[in-house]
Amino acid sequence: DVVMTQSPLSLPVTLGQPASISCRSSQSLVYSDGNTYLNWFQQRPGQSPRRLIYKVSNRDSGVPDRFSGSGSGTDFTLKISRVEAEDIGVYYCMQGTHWLAITFGQGTRLEIK
Amino acid sequence: QVQLVQSGAEVKKPGASVKVSCKASGYTFSGYYMHWVRQAPGQGLDWMGWINPNSGGTNSVEKFYGRVTMTRDTSISTAYLELSRLTFDDTAVYFCARGTLAVAANTEIDYWGQGTLVTVSS
Repeated sequence: DVVMTQSPLSLPVTLGQPASISCRSSQSLVYSDGNTYLNWFQQRPGQSPRRLIYKVSNRDSGVPDRFSGSGSGTDFTLKISRVEAEDIGVYYCMQGTHWLAITFGQGTRLEIK
Repeated sequence: QVQLVQSGAEVKKPGASVKVSCKASGYTFSGYYMHWVRQAPGQGLDWMGWINPNSGGTNSVEKFYGRVTMTRDTSISTAYLELSRLTFDDTAVYFCARGTLAVAANTEIDYWGQGTLVTVSS
């Protein structure tokens, strides 16, 4: 199975400052159709996960534009340009390219300093 | 709007089985795969498998082979996850989550249910 490795696992940030989370896959996530199926999810305390980004860099409807995704191949990044209090939670990357065995990263806990 | 509403919390004894339901609305149920993902207390997301509601075809993680059964009832737009021979390690919140269009590769997860807590306790 494809192993998804996130870093850091804990990210203390100051409100209004940027934040960045890395996600690396053990195999290329480029699918045979040319797309790269790498998603980012946010899970606030006590809530279900919510998808923020799909196919590396596409924001879902209603997701603030301070969230952005980038990367290619095996190396991906989620960036928050200015962290707000409502961004607190755990962030997961997920690969769907190898769709017979979908895998998630371990999660990165974003907390306020 | 897309909604996935799951059944309520369950408490089971070791060795028993549990069946969780997920009722979909706001879209054509048979048109999209349905995933099942679980989350043990304080832990991350653990993908379990998916069902194609159109064909009934399923795919699951090897570690659940022989213990997990995914089914659906298209007449009531509901997917089911049954897990048998429960152990304490199966204590978790179980989520259903919508996948890709059922005519394509199941590469995506978008909408999630609210989760169902299954507690295994003697």
